[in-house]
Amino acid sequence: AQSVTQLDSQVPVFEEAPVELRCNYSSSVSVYLFWYVQYPNQGLQLLLKYLSGSTLVESINGFEAEFNKSQTSFHLRKPSVHISDTAEYFCAVSEGYGGSQGNLIFGKGTKLSVKP
Amino acid sequence: DSGVTQTPKHLITATGQRVTLRCSPRSGDLSVYWYQQSLDQGLQFLIQYYNGEERAKGNILERFSAQQFPDLHSELNLSSLELGDSALYFCASSDGQGRPEAFFGQGTRLTVV
Repeated sequence: AQSVTQLDSQVPVFEEAPVELRCNYSSSVSVYLFWYVQYPNQGLQLLLKYLSGSTLVESINGFEAEFNKSQTSFHLRKPSVHISDTAEYFCAVSEGYGGSQGNLIFGKGTKLSVKP
Repeated sequence: DSGVTQTPKHLITATGQRVTLRCSPRSGDLSVYWYQQSLDQGLQFLIQYYNGEERAKGNILERFSAQQFPDLHSELNLSSLELGDSALYFCASSDGQGRPEAFFGQGTRLTVV
């Protein structure tokens, strides 16, 4: 069975500092990997995805994540965070077959708190 | 804006009651998913429909049911409500035909009192 582990429930960081949010998954088959972001009192927004190809994927707002198959990890990084990045970040995995595409298994989430 | 619409945004009801949550998927998406987000359980997959048919089931209670209509909108019915059913309920949609990313609505916050 699939599972997703986000190793840190809370990550406090100062503005303009780098950050890494860790995510490990377990699955016996090929997977699709996602990071979603949830701002306070809002829904989940897709931040970035790994489907196939290059193991390094980037978002439009400076985040990147690297798929590491041997370590079954998909850590999220940003070299310099802004106050506006304060949110909860969820790592998710989907086993990519048949009609279950999009059936996501989520981690518990990591609350990123950016301080001035 | 993800293109997924959920109504109502907030719902307060009493224990033992029944409620219906509604979701309109993105234009062209055939798959609809329901998720429950609570403080203790996190984000849990409940059920998936694809083009009107149930496709996958997750941790959905027997008191809960869902359906997807011919116009592809979906409804999640929650009955015999308990205090522990208080949560944020999300609907998501995907095209279901090869693009696996799902797009989420803003959610319905259900409070059972």
